[in-house]
Amino acid sequence: EIVLTQSPATLSLSPGERATLSCRASQSVSSYLAWYQQKPGQAPRLLIYDASNRATGIPARFSGSGSGTDFTLTISSLEPEDFAVYYCHQRSNWPYNFGQGTKLEIK
Amino acid sequence: QVQLQESGPGLVKPSETLSLTCTVSGVSISSYYWSWIRQPPGKGLEWIAYIYNSESTNYNPSLKSRVTISVDTSKSQFSLKLKSATAADTALYYCARGCSDFDYWGQGTLVTVSS
Repeated sequence: EIVLTQSPATLSLSPGERATLSCRASQSVSSYLAWYQQKPGQAPRLLIYDASNRATGIPARFSGSGSGTDFTLTISSLEPEDFAVYYCHQRSNWPYNFGQGTKLEIK
Repeated sequence: QVQLQESGPGLVKPSETLSLTCTVSGVSISSYYWSWIRQPPGKGLEWIAYIYNSESTNYNPSLKSRVTISVDTSKSQFSLKLKSATAADTALYYCARGCSDFDYWGQGTLVTVSS
C-alpha cells in the first residue's frame, strides 16, 4: 500500500501570503494525485486532479504540480476562506488512499 | 444539479451491522462510479468502497471482509453495509461520486457505534 505523507502538519500564514503544501508518496503514483479542501463541518471539495488540473469552479490561485513521488499544492495569495484542512489522494495503486492532511491556519 | 444525501441510523450497537443509503439526484446513477468514504472524529479520510452499476465493485482491503456495497438504480440509491461494527467504526460517513477524483459529496452522516 502506498503511503502519502503530507507536510507540514500545520501551516500558519496570513491572508495575502503564499502557501505551499507538500505531499510525498512512498512510491511513484505517476500524476494520479488529487487535492481536496475540507472546512469545518463540510464535506471535502475537489480542488486539483491528476496533479495539476483544477476542478470545475476552483479559483486560479490554486495550483498543483509534481509527478512521481513529490507533489505540491500552491495557493498564490491566501484569502480568508482558504484556511482549512487539505488532503492529497492517490489513484495510482490499489487501495486508493488519502494523506493525513495539512491544516492551514491563520497566523 | 447533482445532489447526494446519506441516510441511516446514527447509533449502532457493537457487533451489529451498520447500514447506510445514499440517494442521488440530478444525474443518472447508472452512468457513474459511486463511493463511500468515512472520517473518524477529528481524523483523516478513509475510502471504503465503490460501485459501478452493479457490474463492478471494489473494497478497501482493510474492510473488505465486513463491507458490502450495492446499488438500486430504480430508486437512484446506493448502499453500504458494514457488519460486526466496533467502536473503531464510529465516523462521519460520506457518499461521493466517482471511484477517485470525487467531485460531488453528500454532507455526511455521523454513525456512532456504542451500546
